[in-house]
Parts: sequence; C-alpha cells; structure tokens
Amino acid sequence: EAGVTQSPTHLIKTRGQQATLRCSPISGHTSVYWYQQALGLGLQFLLWYDEGEERNRGNFPPRFSGRQFPNYSSELNVNALELEDSALYLCASSPRTGVETQYFGPGTRLLVL
Amino acid sequence: GQQLNQSPQSMFIQEGEDVSMNCTSSSIFNTWLWYKQDPGEGPVLLIALYKAGELTSNGRLTAQFGITRKDSFLNISASIPSDVGIYFCAGLRGTGKLIFGQGTTLQVKP
Repeated sequence: EAGVTQSPTHLIKTRGQQATLRCSPISGHTSVYWYQQALGLGLQFLLWYDEGEERNRGNFPPRFSGRQFPNYSSELNVNALELEDSALYLCASSPRTGVETQYFGPGTRLLVL
Repeated sequence: GQQLNQSPQSMFIQEGEDVSMNCTSSSIFNTWLWYKQDPGEGPVLLIALYKAGELTSNGRLTAQFGITRKDSFLNISASIPSDVGIYFCAGLRGTGKLIFGQGTTLQVKP
C-alpha cells in the first residue's frame, strides 16, 4: 500500500512569491493534516482537512491556506512568502476525523530567498 | 506553540545498550504516539498508544501510556547503529492537532 506522497520534494522561492505544496493521502484516508517543521521550532500544526472542509487551524497567519479535493488530496498555499517560512512542510493522513493515528509523508523542503 | 516536555534532549550511547526517553504534559491526551525521523525525511510511526496504562511493544521498542494520561515513555533495547535518529513523542486529543515533544536525538556508537 502506498504511503502519503508529497510534491515537490524541494521548492525554492523568493520573498513575496507564492508557494503551492501538494499531498496525496494513503488510500482510504479522508483526513489530511499539514505541519511545519522549521529549524529550532519543532513540528507545528498548520491545518486539518476532512471531507473537503477545514476542521482546525494552528496559530499561523491567513496567508497560509489550503484546500482538500474530492479525491482527498490536498494543497497547501503560502502567499507573500517570508524568509522565516523556510522549513520542511509535512503532510499526514488518517482514516477518520482527528482521532486516528497520523501517518506522515516525506515532506516538501521550502527555501525562501 | 504548545509542546510536550520530552527528555532527554540527546543521547550518545554504545551499541547494545538500552535507551529510555519520556514525555510529560500538563494536559491529558487520548492518544500517545512515538515517531522516528531521519534527517530530511518525514516522521515514521513507531508505536501508537490508545488507553491509559497500555504497554505496547514493536520489536525492540516498548512504549507505555501513563495512567494519568499526561505522560508516556519509550524504551529501546539492545540498540543498534540504525536506531540513530530523532525520536518524537506526540499527543492527540481528538482535535486533529498533534502536539509534539521537542525530540530526542539518539546517536549510537558501534
């Protein structure tokens, strides 16, 4: 069974640009979660989507947004990029809404110059 | 953001030794999870704990869900070089938001 997949693996942008990161959950999983792992800050919860709806949001500004498609894949969009947005962005999925074990993808490394 | 208190922060041990790390919280959790992360990769699930007092093993790994629901520990027996990595505890309350510990960096000397 395929795990969580993310694309691209690496992304380089400049300040002010927009970044779009993509995630495909494990087959059968309906919930998708996004986390940011910046150096020295640990893993921080960004967003949770289930059945196409945003269910919970972490303490991040509105320029971090996303959506979930009917096939349960998800996109994370980061607008007006800032240098401190440089991080590993991890996507996870689980079978049900928020109470199940989360399985992580390999991440997208975003570098903002 | 909120984090769990995970200790120790790092460990440097000899191959074959046992390892123990733990996480504590001021709040209760419904689920405790332990992950291992290699550099540049996503966390890989090691053990999931769903009930207070639960003791679960996965090969050389053993983890327990504290009876107060505010703590958990992970033991690794007879460490080997491939155990090297960063170990994270994480707690879940049902809001979809995993709360992570700061991580324990494990280095194993052959």
